[in-house]
Amino acid sequence: ILNVEQSPQSLHVQEGDSTNFTCSFPSSNFYALHWYRWETAKSPEALFVMTLNGDEKKKGRISATLNTKEGYSYLYIKGSQPEDSATYLCAFTTNTNAGKSTFGDGTTLTVKP
Amino acid sequence: KAGVTQTPRYLIKTRGQQVTLSCSPISGHRSVSWYQQTPGQGLQFLFEYFSETQRNKGNFPGRFSGRQFSNSRSEMNVSTLELGDSALYLCASSRVTSGGDTQYFGPGTRLTVL
Repeated sequence: ILNVEQSPQSLHVQEGDSTNFTCSFPSSNFYALHWYRWETAKSPEALFVMTLNGDEKKKGRISATLNTKEGYSYLYIKGSQPEDSATYLCAFTTNTNAGKSTFGDGTTLTVKP
Repeated sequence: KAGVTQTPRYLIKTRGQQVTLSCSPISGHRSVSWYQQTPGQGLQFLFEYFSETQRNKGNFPGRFSGRQFSNSRSEMNVSTLELGDSALYLCASSRVTSGGDTQYFGPGTRLTVL
């Protein structure tokens, strides 16, 4: 059974703060790591798909890095805004079972104005 | 481009009944995956279909089954419903595989089993 862990479980920050969270996954048989944002009453929205060790992706104020050798990915949000409040999920797939995504439990971010 | 659609959005059933949920992927997407989310749990993978074939399966009992049609639309069936099946069921589509491609999620079907 694959274990994908996300930390912290929840985070409260003030508007304008920068923040980051972690996704840990097994380092063997790596295929891809996905990040999603899930706002209340909406569908999960894909942020990044990362496949190569050392990958860095950026979308506006949000960026992510990937270390497949040690099995972790960081998601960074620069200058948090209230609209960034959401649960951020990561999902891991292996090269032996590329169509099966294993999700972490998510980090719930609350940004206070 | 229309997004992923799921029907119905809400469903109330009683124990022992069966239910069928439907998912229409984004046009051109051939992979459809199904997930279950229960209170306090993350998204749990149910199965993935590609070209009308189940390609991957999660750790769910045989009461959970699915199929995919030639137009890539997919259905999920749960037989002999139990109280613990109450959950949000999400489907997601991707071009080829959910592994390396971006997955696009539907709005979900909220199933309540009484």
